[in-house]
Amino acid sequence: DIQMTQSPSSLSASVGDRVTITCRASQGISNYLAWFQQKPGKAPKSLIYAASTLQSGVPSKFSGSGSGTDFTLTISSLQPEDFATYYCQQYSDYPFTFGPGTKVDIK
Amino acid sequence: VQLLESGGGLVQPGGSLRLSCAASGFTFSNYAMSWVRQAPGKGLEWVSVISGNDGSTNYADSVKGRFTISRDNSKNTLYLQMNSLRAEDTAVYYCAKHLGGSKRTGDDYWGQGALVTVSS
Repeated sequence: DIQMTQSPSSLSASVGDRVTITCRASQGISNYLAWFQQKPGKAPKSLIYAASTLQSGVPSKFSGSGSGTDFTLTISSLQPEDFATYYCQQYSDYPFTFGPGTKVDIK
Repeated sequence: VQLLESGGGLVQPGGSLRLSCAASGFTFSNYAMSWVRQAPGKGLEWVSVISGNDGSTNYADSVKGRFTISRDNSKNTLYLQMNSLRAEDTAVYYCAKHLGGSKRTGDDYWGQGALVTVSS
């Protein structure tokens, strides 16, 4: 199985900060990588697929990059509504696997 | 797009439960669909996927042989039959729509989730 790791596991940031989350796959997955945002008590929301393609309706402050084994999610200017947990997921190989999540909270 | 899960509840270890996911707002038969679960206080765990192209399926090792994913395109409904349930299957179960008929596409919409509790 492909193992997904994320760093950091949590971070504290201020409104307006630029935030970068890293996701690493244990083997190459090309660009079969998605990012999700989850707020407490809510279903996950899809942000990005194919490593860098924004889902319809997702604001452009979110961006994704990477290919192969190393990927990043960047939030250009953190807003109060962005405080949440972020997960990456590979869908290159079965079983599909998620990273453990990165919790972004208010400094 | 709307995805509405139902069928969750309390079940004893070793028991069975069938989850349903009623889909609307898109041509259901054209899209792959997945189930993803989240144990209380834990991260997301992918469970299973079914193709919109050929109906082929894949499963996580943790549920293989116990869970069965299926779809009824005439009813726009996705199912997850869960047998031989264990305490570690306790979770909120989400259904998710893929971006295309192929299983190897990202998800774009998720349901609100159904809670399954396995306990005596």
